[in-house]
Amino acid sequence: EIVMTQTPLSSRVTLGQPASISCRSSESLADSNGITYLSWFHQRPGQPPRLLIYKISNRFSGVPDRFSGSGAGTDFTLEISRVEAEDVGLYYCMQAKQLTWTFGQGTKVEI
Amino acid sequence: EVHLVESGGALVQPGESLRLSCAASGFTFSGSWMHWVRQVPEKGLVWVSHIDNRGTATHYADAVRGRFTISRDNARNTLYLQMNSLRVEDTAVYYCVRDYFGVFSWGQGTLVTVSS
Repeated sequence: EIVMTQTPLSSRVTLGQPASISCRSSESLADSNGITYLSWFHQRPGQPPRLLIYKISNRFSGVPDRFSGSGAGTDFTLEISRVEAEDVGLYYCMQAKQLTWTFGQGTKVEI
Repeated sequence: EVHLVESGGALVQPGESLRLSCAASGFTFSGSWMHWVRQVPEKGLVWVSHIDNRGTATHYADAVRGRFTISRDNARNTLYLQMNSLRVEDTAVYYCVRDYFGVFSWGQGTLVTVSS
């Protein structure tokens, strides 16, 4: 099983300021075709997770451009350029290199 | 727009069975892999099961293998999860998730509570 480790687990941020979450996998997430199935999700209380970023750095439809993803191999980062109030909640990274998906523990973002 | 609606969650006793359904719309269901993921309230996300687009290949987490069965009816655009021999630790919100070449769409979830 690929273990996903997020840091920090909790982050208090200031409106308008940047924020960053790291995610590390226990093995490289690049498959034999060179595609890396690393995604980021945002979850508000009582809501399902919502896809933000897929394949490391691709923003999903409708996701604001203040969200960006980067990384390669085993180290990945989600960045929010200027935090807005609606960005509070939990953020999860997920690997889909293996069909047995695994998730990070989640990072709680508070204002 | 992708739309996934889960149903079938309920309060059951340990050892009982339950079948979850996920009605899909807004996309070509028969062309998408599908998964079930669960989340204990206030806890993290745990992958449960996968099925390929034709229903010919399935995979399960160790915690549910032999008790849960994933299936699909492409004519009805519906995904299922048959859960037998339920345990207290199966208590969670169950989400169906569309997997389309690395782009993932989630349903709203359905709550399963296993308690005596």
